[in-house]
Amino acid sequence: DSGVTQTPKHLITATGQRVTLRCSPRSGDLSVYWYQQSLDQGLQFLIQYYNGEERAKGNILERFSAQQFPDLHSELNLSSLELGDSALYFCASSVGGGASREQYFGPGTRLTVT
Amino acid sequence: EDQVTQSPEALRLQEGESSSLNCSYTVSGLRGLFWYRQDPGKGPEFLFTLYSAGEEKEKERLKATLTKKESFLHITAPKPEDSATYLCAVRGGEGGSQGNLIFGKGTKLSVKP
Repeated sequence: DSGVTQTPKHLITATGQRVTLRCSPRSGDLSVYWYQQSLDQGLQFLIQYYNGEERAKGNILERFSAQQFPDLHSELNLSSLELGDSALYFCASSVGGGASREQYFGPGTRLTVT
Repeated sequence: EDQVTQSPEALRLQEGESSSLNCSYTVSGLRGLFWYRQDPGKGPEFLFTLYSAGEEKEKERLKATLTKKESFLHITAPKPEDSATYLCAVRGGEGGSQGNLIFGKGTKLSVKP
C-alpha cells in the first residue's frame, strides 16, 4: 500500500459525459501527478500540482482539467468523453515539487466510456 | 526529445533462471532513472532510483545498474511471485520533459514454477 488513495476504482459512463476522479496523496506529500495508461500508449504524464499550484503540464487534452485543494487532495475532471478516453488513470504523489524525487502511485481508476 | 525504450517486451523464465531487463534512454540532463513494478490492474510500485553512471542498488532478488545510456534490472533466481511488468522511467532537464517522468512501455516478466 503506497498511501495514495484514489476513488472511484471503476467508472463506466457514456460518450459526451463528464466525470471527476479523486486522489488523496500520501501524508506529507505536496505534489500530485496525474497519468493516463492505455494499452498502446503506456503511462503518459498529464499534469502536476504542487501545494495547490499547477507545476507542469504534459499530454493533457483541453477537455481535461485538474485542481489541487487546500487539503492537498486533487481532482481530475474529464469532459465530453470519447471512446478513446477509456483507460486507467493513476494519481501519484511525492514529497517535493522538483526533480529527483520518486513518485508513489495510487491503485488507479479504470474508466470505461461506452 | 526525451525517450525511453525497454527490451525485451516480454520475457518468460523458469523459476531460478536469472536474466536481465534493459532500459535504454536518451534525455537531456538525466536527473534520475526510476524502476517500478506493476501488477495487472494495479498502480506501479516504486523499486529503485539511480542518479549517476556506475550506481547500483539491490533489493532481494533485484539489482539495478546504470550507465550513461542504459540501465539494467538484473533478476537473480526469480520466483513466480516476481512475475509482473517492470517499468523504467527517466526524469530529464527542465527544458525537455519539464523535469517529469518519461516512462518506457515496460517488460512483462513471467516466471514459471
